[in-house]
Amino acid sequence: EAQVTQNPRYLITVTGKKLTVTCSQNMNHEYMSWYRQDPGLGLRQIYYSMNVEVTDKGDVPEGYKVSRKEKRNFPLILESPSPNQTSLYFCASSLTSGRSSYEQYFGPGTRLTVT
Amino acid sequence: AQTVTQSQPEMSVQEAETVTLSCTYDTSESDYYLFWYKQPPSRQMILVIRQEAYKQQNATENRFSVNFQKAAKSFSLKISDSQLGDAAMYFCAWVEYGKLTFGQGTILTVHP
Repeated sequence: EAQVTQNPRYLITVTGKKLTVTCSQNMNHEYMSWYRQDPGLGLRQIYYSMNVEVTDKGDVPEGYKVSRKEKRNFPLILESPSPNQTSLYFCASSLTSGRSSYEQYFGPGTRLTVT
Repeated sequence: AQTVTQSQPEMSVQEAETVTLSCTYDTSESDYYLFWYKQPPSRQMILVIRQEAYKQQNATENRFSVNFQKAAKSFSLKISDSQLGDAAMYFCAWVEYGKLTFGQGTILTVHP
């Protein structure tokens, strides 16, 4: 079954404690991205990757890091989380960033709370 | 900057009635895709309908249809014969080079 998985689904942590949210897809997609969802703002792109070892900032990258060492995995790293990073996070993937990006696959979301 | 605007934070509809959710967007591109996503309480992002900009015909998926006005950059979603299961947050979105740009969302309540 084609899918994007994220772990954990829920996470409560404290300010400053490094954490990683994993994302994995089994469709051999080149393009992967992370979004955060906040009330009244919709979803906004944090980082994206067009292929292995190719990553770039989205609209709200501050406080986040990513890596793409394997095609299937695209972890989101918060090295020193702060309360303003409390949000709902989605990983998404598509075959490429070209016309085939009309087909987007979303992970189930990760609810992060930073106290 | 490309933007997507949903001007209705909340909408409500009676079961079996019709409701229209509004969306406007801004782009200088001529060929692109527009989407409506549904997000139920489970938080899963579910694709409702997709429209390719160069297609004149409005997309339809069962009870869901769009009114796509390219010149006006308007992309509204019509839900016919509303059901209780349609209650959710709805997002309008536009894709460019893999990146989705979302509107603010509209919460739809369906009254029995």
